[in-house]
Amino acid sequence: GAGVSQTPSNKVTEKGKYVELRCDPISGHTALYWYRQSLGQGPEFLIYFQGTGAADDSGLPNDRFFAVRPEGSVSTLKIQRTERGDSAVYLCASSSRGLAPYNEQFFGPGTRLTVL
Amino acid sequence: DAKTTQPNSMESNEEEPVHLPCNHSTISGTDYIHWYRQLPSQGPEYVIHGLTSNVNNRMASLAIAEDRKSSTLILHRATLRDAAVYYCIPMRSNFGNEKLTFGTGTRLTIIP
Repeated sequence: GAGVSQTPSNKVTEKGKYVELRCDPISGHTALYWYRQSLGQGPEFLIYFQGTGAADDSGLPNDRFFAVRPEGSVSTLKIQRTERGDSAVYLCASSSRGLAPYNEQFFGPGTRLTVL
Repeated sequence: DAKTTQPNSMESNEEEPVHLPCNHSTISGTDYIHWYRQLPSQGPEYVIHGLTSNVNNRMASLAIAEDRKSSTLILHRATLRDAAVYYCIPMRSNFGNEKLTFGTGTRLTIIP
């Protein structure tokens, strides 16, 4: 079946602009996660949705970052007033159950964001 | 979250077994040990997880020390496709604590 998809695959923007990154999870998966990965580092957690609500947004670095999942499926990560330090690969993952630890997460290929 | 220590890099010859170690000395009694790997230019993928007993699946085996302060991921016969960064991740069993806390992992190079 179809895996997690993310669009766009690459996004180049200018400092100060607004960007939206989209994630389509595996159909039926109730849990959705966003991570970002800087060069040479492991992925860093940003936010986790269970259904439509954000169950844990402790990883969002500041109030320029916001994510929504209005219908419990597709999610959009929104970044306002982008900064060069926001350049990274943004990864989305989904899983079928919200009860840890049986929580295998399926990752998408990521969106590479470059802020000039 | 429990801290983990993994070698930065390892090399192995193709078709030989690979043992990837992970130290997690601060792990709690209810933390599961998960392993994910990330192939080049891809998102991470789940490999295996366990609590106390050794675990096997089609991808790998996981050997967990009796005191649970360390574990070893075993690839029985490495192929070129196994070249990736491997992450050892303790995860709490509490409902709601869903995030994966990745370290820097071990970069595994397979030599043809």
